[in-house]
Amino acid sequence: NAGVTQTPKFQVLKTGQSMTLQCAQDMNHEYMSWYRQDPGMGLRLIHYSVGAGITDQGEVPNGYNVSRSTTEDFPLRLLSAAPSQTSVYFCASSQSRGSEKLFFGSGTQLSVL
Amino acid sequence: GQNIDQPTEMTATEGAIVQINCTYQTSGFNGLFWYQQHAGEAPTFLSYNVLDGLEEKGRFSSFLSRSKGYSYLLLKELQMKDSASYLCAVFNAGNMLTFGGGTRLMVKP
Repeated sequence: NAGVTQTPKFQVLKTGQSMTLQCAQDMNHEYMSWYRQDPGMGLRLIHYSVGAGITDQGEVPNGYNVSRSTTEDFPLRLLSAAPSQTSVYFCASSQSRGSEKLFFGSGTQLSVL
Repeated sequence: GQNIDQPTEMTATEGAIVQINCTYQTSGFNGLFWYQQHAGEAPTFLSYNVLDGLEEKGRFSSFLSRSKGYSYLLLKELQMKDSASYLCAVFNAGNMLTFGGGTRLMVKP
């Protein structure tokens, strides 16, 4: 059972480039989310989805897009990368939006030069 | 707004007991989580409290007081492998999970 699979593990971008971080889960979870983690600031919610076809903004959505065409996949798109988006990104899922524990992917270390 | 405070760093000795505190001010409350995160790894779930009181799970216990906006994580019989960051997170009325900055715990021999 793979759980939450996140790719790539590392990525270096130049300012202005675009890319997509992939996230897939095989637990049939309804709820999926993207967080970024910066030193001293904890995990901050970027976007989340409560089911296929439904997405919503978190605390820090600017500069990022998401879509949820299937239950399994929840990609995060950086439209025009900026140095301020240098961070570690985690995808997480849970059975439902509520009092359910989150299962995290292994993370993506992104550097924008 | 949301405000979750926890100490930045703590140090304890192997075999001892350590208490990591978390205070929160959020718009509504639907539960509090503790996660453990080893350096370079993803967070993993430790505990969940929604009612006041103590939840015990092996060497780890978590306490909640909703009236005081306060929780703590208690780690007993500390082991070297407990060296990690411990993240407090609150589920608010809007059903958004907000994390504190994390407490880095160093366990020394």
